Amino acid sequence: DTEVTQTPKHLVMGMTNKKSLKCEQHMGHRAMYWYKQKAKKPPELMFVYSYEKLSINESVPSRFSPECPNSSLLNLHLHALQPEDSALYLCASLKPGQRNTEAFFGQGTRLTVV
Amino acid sequence: GQQVMQIPQYQHVQEGEDFTTYCNSSTTLSNIQWYKQRPGGHPVFLIQLVKSGEVKKQKRLTFQFGEAKKNSSLHITATQTTDVGTYFCAGPPYTGGFKTIFGAGTRLFVKA
Repeated sequence: DTEVTQTPKHLVMGMTNKKSLKCEQHMGHRAMYWYKQKAKKPPELMFVYSYEKLSINESVPSRFSPECPNSSLLNLHLHALQPEDSALYLCASLKPGQRNTEAFFGQGTRLTVV
Repeated sequence: GQQVMQIPQYQHVQEGEDFTTYCNSSTTLSNIQWYKQRPGGHPVFLIQLVKSGEVKKQKRLTFQFGEAKKNSSLHITATQTTDVGTYFCAGPPYTGGFKTIFGAGTRLFVKA
């Protein structure tokens, strides 16, 4: 299994809603990432978990709250988002190690905040 | 902080013409990866280069990693309409860690 599965594929939420994005992989990868991608822009790093611990937080607003319940799952909890947070949210995983850093991306969740 | 620059931003070619995108990092990279993202899709891994001066080929695609491990290029020979998409380079800093930063990408348009 070389897949990273993200759910839901599409999400529309109001600014007062609370929702969660989910990411799952069964490749035994111990590093998992959240990226945000706006249209015609590169993926922008948000969070990195390494061995289920938050390793990198790229100064992301607290309305985005990541969680890594176990080595296969990664969640992104959303609360009180703004319309400018609308974007494609990508999850990626990789097997850490200098010579083995291919990132496997999920298909993304296309989020629209109204 | 680390910055990864990529040029050109856009490239329009006639089918059969060659295409090259260039990637430059402000810091030495541990390795460099190339990804392709089709319109409406997600980034898909193409290749990783690790060694200084490394050159790798995948059919019509040739990837190079600079001697100083700060720049890289992707060259496509005789483009096809299936090559359409955005090509990103990405890499973690030489100091290690998981902070993979993406270049801005080069969007390739191929006219049949």
